Amino acid sequence: AQKITQTQPGMFVQEKEAVTLDCTYDTSDQSYGLFWYKQPSSGEMIFLIYQGSYDEQNATEGRYSLNFQKARKSANLVISASQLGDSAMYFCAMREARGGADGLTFGKGTHLIIQP
Amino acid sequence: DAGITQSPRYKITETGRQVTLMCHQTWSHSYMFWYRQDLGHGLRLIYYSAAADITDKGEVPDGYVVSRSKTENFPLTLESATRSQTSVYFCASIGGGLNTEAFFGQGTRLTVV
Repeated sequence: AQKITQTQPGMFVQEKEAVTLDCTYDTSDQSYGLFWYKQPSSGEMIFLIYQGSYDEQNATEGRYSLNFQKARKSANLVISASQLGDSAMYFCAMREARGGADGLTFGKGTHLIIQP
Repeated sequence: DAGITQSPRYKITETGRQVTLMCHQTWSHSYMFWYRQDLGHGLRLIYYSAAADITDKGEVPDGYVVSRSKTENFPLTLESATRSQTSVYFCASIGGGLNTEAFFGQGTRLTVV
């Protein structure tokens, strides 16, 4: 079974609109971390935001926020006021408490295109 | 310079040849990982290492070998390259607990012809 599921292979969004990128996860651990990474066309992996399983508040980093719904095992990324530079691949990832031994498990990604 | 670096950035090799991708990090992070990225598959874990001399298989280890004799280096070797191993390879390191993000190298684009 997929540990991380991103159901949107691609999205087109108008500039300045808000964007929600979906991510659901599967784990039996109580302690885990959820991450979002951005990969622009240049190829590098850029860390965006982190949410811990015990965090009661949704994480925010500038225009990025994470809509964490623990009971539904969902960790959607919200980008407010999208910009052309937000066009990129976005990956959701999870790290489980069994430790770094399991590494960081990634979803297949969402290709976001911001249109002017 | 501090960070995590991969070499080479680009490599073309022939089927059946052995090729080694290098990864070096300057932070003394305990955990290091190798991923391959293919269209439609996201990033898939090949091998990981929790410390020097400790390595273990990830999701897609067949055809790959790793070693970690020093904390800072984690080379990935394709013993006999196949066309299906044409991919972009990323090395990453993590220095702490669950709330610590992974830092990635720039990636190596490998083409097997």
